[in-house]
Order: sequence, then C-alpha cells, then structure tokens
Amino acid sequence: EPEVTQTPSHQVTQMGQEVILRCVPISNHLYFYWYRQILGQKVEFLVSFYNNEISEKSEIFDDQFSVERPDGSNFTLKIRSTKLEDSAMYFCASRRDGQGGQPQHFGDGTRLSIL
Amino acid sequence: ILNVEQSPQSLHVQEGDSTNFTCSFPSSNFYALHWYRWETAKSPEALFVMTLNGDEKKKGRISATLNTKEGYSYLYIKGSQPEDSATYLCAFPNAGNMLTFGGGTRLMVKP
Repeated sequence: EPEVTQTPSHQVTQMGQEVILRCVPISNHLYFYWYRQILGQKVEFLVSFYNNEISEKSEIFDDQFSVERPDGSNFTLKIRSTKLEDSAMYFCASRRDGQGGQPQHFGDGTRLSIL
Repeated sequence: ILNVEQSPQSLHVQEGDSTNFTCSFPSSNFYALHWYRWETAKSPEALFVMTLNGDEKKKGRISATLNTKEGYSYLYIKGSQPEDSATYLCAFPNAGNMLTFGGGTRLMVKP
C-alpha cells in the first residue's frame, strides 16, 4: 500500500539554525499538510498546501516557517531560525482530493530536537 | 479555537475485555469526524471517517458511532487484544480539512 515517507526520522539542531524537514506524499494525492506534536500536548495543525500554494495556516505558522513543493514529489517544511520551543514531532500528511469523507494519510514523523 | 476532547486519557484493560471511549466536538459547522489509531514510533493510521448523524462504522472488532446533534462519537473495541494497544485519536476537520485533534485515549491491553 502506498505510504507517506518522511526524512530524517530524527533531527538535532542548534538553536538559531535553519532546518528542512522532507516529506514524499502519496503520488496521486493533491492536498498536503504539516502538523506537529510538542511532547505531552495535542497534535496541532501548521499548514495545508494545494495547487502549489498555501491554502490555510495556523497562528503557529509564522514568518519563520515556509513550505515548498520543489519538484512535484517532495514537500518540505523549512524553519528559518529554530527556537527551543520548535522541538516537537513533525508529521506530514496527504489526501487524495477534495471529496468529503476521506482520511489524511500520515508519515511516521520527524522528531526535531533543538539544543 | 475548536474544542475537541477525548476521554478517558488512558485505559488499562485485560485481554478479552470490551472497551469504549469518547470524543466530543463542536456540534455546529460539522463536516466529518475522523478516528485514527497511532502506535508508538509509527504513523497515525486512519480507522474511520464519519460524516452522517447516526453513522455506525465497523472494521473487524472496532466500531464507531456518531451523534452530530450532541457532538460526540464513541469508539468501541470488542474483545481487546494486546495488539490493540495504541493511542486512539479523533480529529475534527474544518471546511478546508484542517484537522483539530483531541488529546487521544491511550489504550493498554494486558495479556
């Protein structure tokens, strides 16, 4: 069964450094998402992406964050200048199309640790 | 800010027990209600997407019901097995399918 893949599985970065998290969504999917879970808290929505542009973003997704689909297969989340509070598990998800009643398909996540 | 709540937070049952847990969500602007099963170190896996009031869905020993008027959904597991041990998440999408998650119910099934 096709799946969403994320790399790396674990990223350790110094505070203030830039980090890029990578995702390969399921190939015929059109809608893409990033979520994160800070340890002990709920999974939170960051951003959704469709037709090569952001369709919705949360308050968390400030100017330090950006997303890109550079080559038609990868979907990346960049954090420009990381802060300690960016430490979390980051999940990518994709969905086939805009029809109601479809689930999102999640990757295994990238654990980001900011030192 | 949408309020999606799950109870209990965690549950310990013996193998063979049947169990259920609850997700409550806003009863207005309802589009759907998602249930996911999330095992440690794996990706959340979709169980059900429920869209109609009174919906009941089943997958093997797991089933779910939906009441959109009062804003709750129940997930039932019949005859729990150790491999059912996981965190069960419900999520409430908006019109753009942005998911608001509950805090999850962590189920541990003892052999």
